[in-house]
This record gives sequence, C-alpha cells and structure tokens, in this order.
Amino acid sequence: DAMVIQNPRYQVTQFGKPVTLSCSQTLNHNVMYWYQQKSSQAPKLLFHYYDKDFNNEADTPDNFQSRRPNTSFCFLDIRSPGLGDAAMYLCATSKNQGNVDTQYFGPGTRLTVL
Amino acid sequence: DQQVKQNSPSLSVQEGRISILNCDYTNSMFDYFLWYKKYPAEGPTFLISISSIKDKNEDGRFTVFLNKSAKHLSLHIVPSQPGDSAVYFCAAKQGSQGNLIFGKGTKLSVKP
Repeated sequence: DAMVIQNPRYQVTQFGKPVTLSCSQTLNHNVMYWYQQKSSQAPKLLFHYYDKDFNNEADTPDNFQSRRPNTSFCFLDIRSPGLGDAAMYLCATSKNQGNVDTQYFGPGTRLTVL
Repeated sequence: DQQVKQNSPSLSVQEGRISILNCDYTNSMFDYFLWYKKYPAEGPTFLISISSIKDKNEDGRFTVFLNKSAKHLSLHIVPSQPGDSAVYFCAAKQGSQGNLIFGKGTKLSVKP
C-alpha cells in the first residue's frame, strides 16, 4: 500500500541534544510537509517542500531545520531541543492538485525532551 | 487568532444516532475544506472534503455541509458507530498555494 512512513514512532532526547526525525513516502507526491502538534492543539505547519523548493513558515524557530535529499525522504532536524519542543511531529504529503489538494499524513513521531 | 475554530472539545453520542461536528472559520477567502479523523497514536486520516462551490458533499455515512454566508461547516455521521470514536479535525485552505489551517479538534465518543 502506498503510504507515508515516519521513524521512529517515539523519540526521547535530552535537553539541547540534536535529534533528527525522518519521513518517507511511497505516494510519489511532490509536496512534503512537517507539522508540530502539541496536546489539545491544532497541527501547526513548520515548513514544506514543493519538490526541492523549501518554504519556511514565518514563525518557525531557527532551531528547526529540514532536508529533502530526494522525492521520497524528508528529515526534520531539531538542533537544540528545549522542553517546549516536546510534541507530536507529523509528516504529510500531497500531489499539489491546485485548489483541491489533499494532504496525507504519516503516523507521527512523539518527541519527549528530558 | 484562530482562523478555524472547533468550539466543542468533545461530543458523546449513542450508537446508531447522528453525530454532528461543527466548525467555524473567519477567512472568507478559504475555498476548500477538509475533515480528518485521528485515532490515538496514529496520524490524521483524510475523511471527506468540500469545495466552496458546493454546499454539500456525501460519502456513505459521512456528509459535510458548508454554509458560506455563516462561515460554518459541519460533519454529519449517521448512523454513528463505536469505531467512529476518534478526534475529528476540520481544516481549510485558500487557493492553490494556501496551506492547510487546522482547528483544534473535537473528540467524538460513540457509546454502544
């Protein structure tokens, strides 16, 4: 089945220790997104790639970086995690079908910062 | 300020009855609306969508209604089943380049 895969599902890191979350897709979609979702909050878009073009949201902290080495993979790097970065991180993809574009989500990575 | 609001954090419904989940938005330029369903420890799953040129879209037990003048949409599930128990997110976007803006979600519990 075509899908969006996120690894690991649960990640524990220490305050200030860099961490990388990964996302891969078999849908061959050209857009990939990273969202942060805190408890009882709406998913918040951090950035997205349209093919190799990187689009950062204005309020995404510099502490968050992303890489997309090819169509299938996208990585979220948190350079110096703080306690406030503990959240669910969701990766999504879309085909970019104009106005009626639908995003498909992976299962998420739950990040804990100790 | 939230552009997409789901004012009910939770809803409890008896099996077999109708579930109605509500969503309000403030940006009149939104032209595409989606509902996602999320089980614990899983990512949101696309459920149903509606374009602003329509006022109703139906898919099996799920129907989405859009009232543009009131900037309101609703998701109806009938009949409700225990397996429908999940968090439902409303989302909206504007134009082909717009990002999805999500509401905070409504947790639906369907009691057997």
